Amino acid sequence: SQQGEEDPQALSIQEGENATMNCSYKTSINNLQWYRQNSGRGLVHLILIRSNEREKHSGRLRVTLDTSKKSSSLLITASRAADTASYFCVSSRGGYQKVTFGTGTKLQVIP
Amino acid sequence: DTEVTQTPKHLVMGMTNKKSLKCEQHMGHRAMYWYKQKAKKPPELMFVYSYEKLSINESVPSRFSPECPNSSLLNLHLHALQPEDSALYLCASSPNTGLDTGELFFGEGSRLTVL
Repeated sequence: SQQGEEDPQALSIQEGENATMNCSYKTSINNLQWYRQNSGRGLVHLILIRSNEREKHSGRLRVTLDTSKKSSSLLITASRAADTASYFCVSSRGGYQKVTFGTGTKLQVIP
Repeated sequence: DTEVTQTPKHLVMGMTNKKSLKCEQHMGHRAMYWYKQKAKKPPELMFVYSYEKLSINESVPSRFSPECPNSSLLNLHLHALQPEDSALYLCASSPNTGLDTGELFFGEGSRLTVL
C-alpha cells in the first residue's frame, strides 16, 4: 500500500511556468524525499527534507514540509521540456526502512 | 562510483522457468531494496536487506526469492511466475539503515515479461 497520495495525478504546463505538486502522507516520518522518473526507467533523487525542516531549496526546486498537516509540496520553477517526467514523494512508513512511494504526479512541460 | 547496476535489462521467461535478476553496488551501502513497478503505477516495496540480512518482506509470494550473498550484491530468484508478475523490477541501495535511510540510489531496472 502507498504511504503518500499526490495531487494532481497529472499536470500539463507551458515551458517557463512553475509546477507545483503536493504530497500527503499517513504516518509520522523521519524524512521525506522527492524522486523523478523518466519513461518508466530508473529513479533519480531530487531532494530530501528532514522532519525538523520546513523548507529546502536545490536549484530550481523548492520543497516544503508541514508535519502538522502531514503534507509536502514540490515546486519546480521556470520549467523546461526536460522536466517532463513522473514525480514521487517517498517516505519511511512504520519506521525502519519501509521506504514507500506516493502515487505520483505525471508532469508534462510543453515547449 | 555512484551506480547501481542491474542485469539483465530485459528478461522474457515462461511460467515454468527459473531465472534470476542481479543488482550490484560498490558504494559501501548497507541497505538494499527490491521494488516492483507495474505500468503507470508507483514502485511497490518488496524486500529490504540490512547488513546482508533480510529485514523486510512485504508479504511477497514465495515464487520470488531474494538473496544477498555479500554487501555489494543482491539477487532476486524467480520461479514459477505468473503473467501478472510482468513488471519493471527496480533495485536500490541506501547508505544508512534504520529510520533515516538517506538518499536511495536506483538502478535502471530489469523489465520482466512472463509468458
